Amino acid sequence: DIQMTQSPSSLSASVGDRVTITCRASQSISGYLNWYQQKPGKAPNLLIYATSTLQSGVPSRFSGSGSGTDFTLTISSLQPDDFATYYCLQYSNYLGTFGGGTKVEIK
Amino acid sequence: QVRLQESGPGLVRPSQTLSLTCTVSGGSIGSGRYYWSWIRQPAEKGLEYIGRIFSSGSTNYNPSLKSRVTISIDTSKNQFSLRLNSVTAADTAVYYCARVLSGSYYEYFDYWGQGTLVTVSS
Repeated sequence: DIQMTQSPSSLSASVGDRVTITCRASQSISGYLNWYQQKPGKAPNLLIYATSTLQSGVPSRFSGSGSGTDFTLTISSLQPDDFATYYCLQYSNYLGTFGGGTKVEIK
Repeated sequence: QVRLQESGPGLVRPSQTLSLTCTVSGGSIGSGRYYWSWIRQPAEKGLEYIGRIFSSGSTNYNPSLKSRVTISIDTSKNQFSLRLNSVTAADTAVYYCARVLSGSYYEYFDYWGQGTLVTVSS
């Protein structure tokens, strides 16, 4: 099984800050990684797929990068609507696995 | 617009079977381009991928749940279902159904149900 280690598990940041969240896979997953945003009481929402492709309608302040085992989600300038929990998901094998999540809170 | 809606009991007794159905509207579940999935989330915890089914009936399950899980599909009703046997309190969670869009290099959940809370308790 492929394990996904996401860090940090939580962070505090201010509006306008640059935020970086990382996911590390236990083995190479090529570029088969997505990022989701989840707000309380809601289903997750797709932000980025295939490592770096921005889903339609998602603001350009979100970006993704990486390859192999190490991947990054960056929010270039944190906005009030971005305070949420973020999950990575690898899909290189038959059934994907999620990272543990990163909760982004207001400083 | 595609919509998914989970339904089923909100309370299940320990050692019994959890059964949920996801009804899909706005699109055919028999389309060969999609997988149909179940994901769960215990309160204040992360997401866990339970499994998925293709329109042909082929399935993939989370190894940690495989011995207890069955996912089935009914294209005539545009529904797919989850059965989880021998439940314990650890199976208490919000259960989501979701559609997976799959292509040559991409695969992602594009539509989700609203989620349904299932509590395992006597």
